[in-house]
This record gives sequence, C-alpha cells and structure tokens, in this order.
Amino acid sequence: DAMVIQNPRYQVTQFGKPVTLSCSQTLNHNVMYWYQQKSSQAPKLLFHYYDKDFNNEADTPDNFQSRRPNTSFCFLDIRSPGLGDAAMYLCATSRDQGGDQPQHFGDGTRLSIL
Amino acid sequence: AQKITQTQPGMFVQEKEAVTLDCTYDTSDPSYGLFWYKQPSSGEMIFLIYQGSYDQQNATEGRYSLNFQKARKSANLVISASQLGDSAMYFCAMREPYSGNTPLVFGKGTRLSVIA
Repeated sequence: DAMVIQNPRYQVTQFGKPVTLSCSQTLNHNVMYWYQQKSSQAPKLLFHYYDKDFNNEADTPDNFQSRRPNTSFCFLDIRSPGLGDAAMYLCATSRDQGGDQPQHFGDGTRLSIL
Repeated sequence: AQKITQTQPGMFVQEKEAVTLDCTYDTSDPSYGLFWYKQPSSGEMIFLIYQGSYDQQNATEGRYSLNFQKARKSANLVISASQLGDSAMYFCAMREPYSGNTPLVFGKGTRLSVIA
C-alpha cells in the first residue's frame, strides 16, 4: 500500500542524454516536492508544486525541469545530465504547506550517469 | 549559517538500550516546526516525529520521543529499546515560519548503528 511511488528505483543514463523520473501519489496531497540527495549529504530541495503553482528554488540548475499534469503525478526532467547530477532523487508530498505537515517520501530513484 | 546542526556523524548503541541523537537549530522566527526522519540504506525517508514550537509537551510516537528544549534551541531524538532495524541515517529538519510556502531544511544527519 505504497502511497508515494517513484519509478524507476534505479536509472542509468548517458552523459547529456535527457532523462525523466516519475512520481505518483495516492494520498491526494496538494503539494509535491523533488529533492536531490548526493552521497552522505542531506536532501536538497529542487522545486515543489502547490497544486499547479510551481516553485523553483533559487539555486536549482536550469538543467532541471518539472511537470505536474495532474494531482497524482509529478515528473522530474533532466535535460542534459552531467556527471555531477548522479544522485538519489526523492519525491515527497504533503497535504498542504502548513508548518506542521510532515512530508511523505517515496523510495527514491538512484540516478547514475555513464 | 547552519539552520540545523547535527553534531554526531555516527553513533553506536547496544540493542535494547536507549540512544539520544542531538539536533540544534537556529531561527529568529517564533513559529516553526521540527521533524525527524529515518533513512535506511534502501533510501526511503520515513517520517518519525514532529514538534511544533508552540507545543507545550514533548512529542512522543511509540519508541520515539523528542526532548524539546526551546530556550536552548535543541530538539534531540530519543529512541528507547533500540532494535537492529533502527540502524539507519537520521535527519533532523525544520520548517520556518510555521505556515506558508517555506522549504523543509535538513541537517547533515547522524548514522546510527545498533549492535547485537
């Protein structure tokens, strides 16, 4: 009964070849987040959607884009992956943006760049 | 400046013993929320416990409790009766202000190893 589902668990792509990671949720939450987590580091927020409103973090590279076609799905597109983009990518949801709302995470997609 | 500081990169604890993972935070906002997450080696982030800045009592969830000392700006996680399955990375995180479009800021984490 997974509630935040990320596909695939492992993704390998070539340097410069566009890649899309997907996230779906069955919680009907308004907010969806994408984090990048490099080895032995804390997760770093890339962007989030509140409903259809897109919020980009100031230091998120232009190489990273996101789409949210409906409430349930959110995609992370990396247009031209570089070696430095190899990381775990975590999708999370929360019911709304209230400070007491925990974020529920998926299992993550581990991206490798060849 | 670091918003969330976890000073223990790694901790060891004997099975069935209690362990405290430290977390201090920095904010000038009177309203904020503090969270603890567990990340096993498989990668998923699991929400453990939440403490609001206005909460009068320390949060508890099963074997997890939060030792919240507001004046010292610390929110330490206490795990009682440690189990082998508790071995994981633990992240403290803060959200400020209490409401609104603000991101969750994570500390660097503490790796807990439970020894049989």
